[in-house]
Amino acid sequence: GQNIDQPTEMTATEGAIVQINCTYQTSGFNGLFWYQQHAGEAPTFLSYNVLDGLEEKGRFSSFLSRSKGYSYLLLKELQMKDSASYLCAVLYGNNRLAFGKGNQVVVIP
Amino acid sequence: EPEVTQTPSHQVTQMGQEVILRCVPISNHLYFYWYRQILGQKVEFLVSFYNNEISEKSEIFDDQFSVERPDGSNFTLKIRSTKLEDSAMYFCASSQGDVAGVGELFFGEGSRLTVL
Repeated sequence: GQNIDQPTEMTATEGAIVQINCTYQTSGFNGLFWYQQHAGEAPTFLSYNVLDGLEEKGRFSSFLSRSKGYSYLLLKELQMKDSASYLCAVLYGNNRLAFGKGNQVVVIP
Repeated sequence: EPEVTQTPSHQVTQMGQEVILRCVPISNHLYFYWYRQILGQKVEFLVSFYNNEISEKSEIFDDQFSVERPDGSNFTLKIRSTKLEDSAMYFCASSQGDVAGVGELFFGEGSRLTVL
């Protein structure tokens, strides 16, 4: 089976930096995705890591360590609109994603 | 910006009824998928579809489920005889190539199915 673990919730202040962790044990690994999901809406693509290291994209960065089965998403300069669930998903075949339950980030003024 | 569109946004049905959920993937995409998310649970893979046939399916995708690309633009998920536990948000997704190669997968807004 596929096991993706994320903390369930965190609260952070507007303007702050928050790090969302994800650990995984899967039967295969072809990359790791991060998605943002607002309540009742579709997951929106944020990042895709295949190789170890840090990928930076504006206010969002994602890190991967394949040997440790670990990734994190870093959100900088938090804005109120960043309040959402952040989903870690492992691509374990060519086309199958296994998702974690998501980390609910609440941004407060 | 091109997007995956789904209809209906919400459907309520009686247990045992057939339901068809419709999706229009992004126009130059070749791979299509259905995922579902039961309220409060994780998003789960159901099926992938390429070249007019199922390429992969999960253990959730049993004989009561089927998918079809009836024309050049639509991609449908049919649930033959709905059960209470089929109540979920169903997300259609598409990608230009296989996800491992293109590194992108785009989701639609979802169709919420409520089975009474």
